[in-house]
Amino acid sequence: DAGVTQSPTHLIKTRGQQVTLRCSPKSGHDTVSWYQQALGQGPQFIFQYYEEEERQRGNFPDRFSGHQFPNYSSELNVNALLLGDSALYLCASSPLSESYEQYFGPGTRLTVT
Amino acid sequence: GIQVEQSPPDLILQEGANSTLRCNFSDSVNNLQWFHQNPWGQLINLFYIPSGTKQNGRLSATTVATERYSLLYISSSQTTDSGVYFCAAVNTDKLIFGTGTRLQVFP
Repeated sequence: DAGVTQSPTHLIKTRGQQVTLRCSPKSGHDTVSWYQQALGQGPQFIFQYYEEEERQRGNFPDRFSGHQFPNYSSELNVNALLLGDSALYLCASSPLSESYEQYFGPGTRLTVT
Repeated sequence: GIQVEQSPPDLILQEGANSTLRCNFSDSVNNLQWFHQNPWGQLINLFYIPSGTKQNGRLSATTVATERYSLLYISSSQTTDSGVYFCAAVNTDKLIFGTGTRLQVFP
């Protein structure tokens, strides 16, 4: 049973560029959440997707957007990259319910220069 | 919103020692998870524990929801236990993370 997968593993971008990160959820899971983890901090919730729609969103600007596909996989897009967007981006999947635990992928480490 | 605090922020142990990590949350939560983040950044699920006590090998966890705290116990620590331990409260389906406890275990 494959767990949550993310790609790419590492990415280096320049300020002002755009980036797309990808996530495939664990088998049987239909809900995908994205988190940003800055160095030395705990992960911060960006947004959550269910049934191809953004279900809820954290305190992140509109430069951060996402998409969920019919096969439940998801993308995170960040436009107009800032140096402060450098972080580890984590994807988590679960069934849609607070009664289920969330499982995380290995993350994508984004560096903005 | 809900605040999650963890203590201590840093912990240094010699192999074989026991330790207790604490997680306090500011409001009622629907569920709580403990994770271990390895040096490569992977968050590994340890416990999903809205209340009560669970054990898995040398690790155990207790959540007292009415008093808004959870404890993670590590017994007979090993060097492979090193890393950052996070608790996360579940609120409206999203996880609210604490700031973590960085554990270093030396041989």
